[in-house]
Amino acid sequence: EVQLVQSGAEVKKPGESLRISCKGSGYSFTSSWIGWVRQMPGKGLEWMGIVYPGDSDTRYSPSLQGQVTISVDTSINTAYLQWTSLKASDSAIYYCVRASHYGGNVMWGQGTLVSVSS
Amino acid sequence: NFMLTQPHSVSESPGKTITISCTRSSGNVAGSYVQWYQQRPGSAPTTVIYDDDRRPSGIPDRFSGSIDMSSNSASLTISGLKTEDEADYYCQSYDGSTPWVFGGGTKLTVL
Repeated sequence: EVQLVQSGAEVKKPGESLRISCKGSGYSFTSSWIGWVRQMPGKGLEWMGIVYPGDSDTRYSPSLQGQVTISVDTSINTAYLQWTSLKASDSAIYYCVRASHYGGNVMWGQGTLVSVSS
Repeated sequence: NFMLTQPHSVSESPGKTITISCTRSSGNVAGSYVQWYQQRPGSAPTTVIYDDDRRPSGIPDRFSGSIDMSSNSASLTISGLKTEDEADYYCQSYDGSTPWVFGGGTKLTVL
């Protein structure tokens, strides 16, 4: 069974760092793009970026470039989304997706809730 | 960059048919595939249509997708509406120089 399993909910303070994860199983991890999608409270979906684990080709949304880092560890079939200094405005649910570079038959992870508050 | 515009909300009775539109602001809607995602309250999204008109395994044929070049838009049609179809629906597309673009979402109420 193809699965994407994300790490659990996080509660952080502004200025703290964070890395959330997404583990793929049941398919060739290096042969599909993995992306991240943000959903702020009560809002719609926002694409953050995408990585191809086979060669680490990474593309970011222009509005978010420099604010987050997307990476992969192919030895454990896991993708990461990382912040070095969180802001309250980073509070959201973050979904990882297995996809083609343009979308396609997207498979969604269960989501990770990130809450940032002083 | 382009935008995808969806109606904010639609409502219809069980058993009826609804169509949700997704209008592309610039560029050719036929030039890049359109996907549709369903998000039920409190749940992660799921894909109901991809590549304009293809259904993932497990999605009933009550769901269909199409594109209309004359209006530069894509549409999601759900026939035989069920209460379980009540959800937010998002369209999404892409072009070579733009990351994924999502529509603002349409809230479907089945009453």
